Amino acid sequence: DAGITQSPRHKVTETGTPVTLRCHQTENHRYMYWYRQDPGHGLRLIHYSYGVKDTDKGEVSDGYSVSRSKTEDFLLTLESATSSQTSVYFCAIRGRNSYEQYFGPGTRLTVT
Amino acid sequence: AQTVTQSQPEMSVQEAETVTLSCTYDTSESDYYLFWYKQPPSRQMILVIRQEAYKQQNATENRFSVNFQKAAKSFSLKISDSQLGDAAMYFCAYRRGGGSEKLVFGKGTKLTVNP
Repeated sequence: DAGITQSPRHKVTETGTPVTLRCHQTENHRYMYWYRQDPGHGLRLIHYSYGVKDTDKGEVSDGYSVSRSKTEDFLLTLESATSSQTSVYFCAIRGRNSYEQYFGPGTRLTVT
Repeated sequence: AQTVTQSQPEMSVQEAETVTLSCTYDTSESDYYLFWYKQPPSRQMILVIRQEAYKQQNATENRFSVNFQKAAKSFSLKISDSQLGDAAMYFCAYRRGGGSEKLVFGKGTKLTVNP
C-alpha cells in the first residue's frame, strides 16, 4: 500500500456526461500516473504528471484530460464520456527506487 | 515500439508445487527494467518482483524468482510452493530506462491453484 486512494471506486454514467476521477496520495510522491485496464489489452498509460501543473500524454490520451493543482491530487477528466471509455482506471505513483510504480485500488467506470 | 508478450493466457498448478509463467519482450534498448505484477480478484495491482536489465543476477522475493535471459529477451516468473492465495492474474511489464515513464504491460496470465 503506497498510500494511494481513488474515488469514486465505482461509477455508472451516461454517454456525453463529464466525469472526473480522483487520485489522492499521502506520501508526497512527485510522479503520478493514470492507466486504463481493458480485457485483452493489459494496462495502458493515459497521462502522467511529474509535478504540480506538469503533465504529459501517454499512449491512449485521446478523450482524457488531467490536472494536478497540488502534489497529493491527480485528477482524470472525461469531458464527454463515451461507451469506449468503459474500463477500470488505475492511478499509480513512482516509488522511491525511481523506476517502480505502485498502484491504487482502481475505479470501475461504466458508460451507458 | 516495445512490446511484451505473455503466451500463456491461463495456467494451473497444484498447491505446494512449482509453476513458471512466461514473458518475452521486444526492445532495442540496453537500459530497462522488468516487473511482474499480481492482480487478485480484489483488482489491486501488486508488485511482485522487479529486475534491472544491467543486473545479471536473477531477482528473488521469497517464493518468487525470475529467470532473466537478456539475450533471448525472456523474463519468466517461477512460483515455488504454490499457495491458494497465489491464484490471480499475473502481468509482466517493461519500462525503458533513461527517464521514460511508461510501463508496457503484457496481456496477463490467469493462474489457478488447485487444492
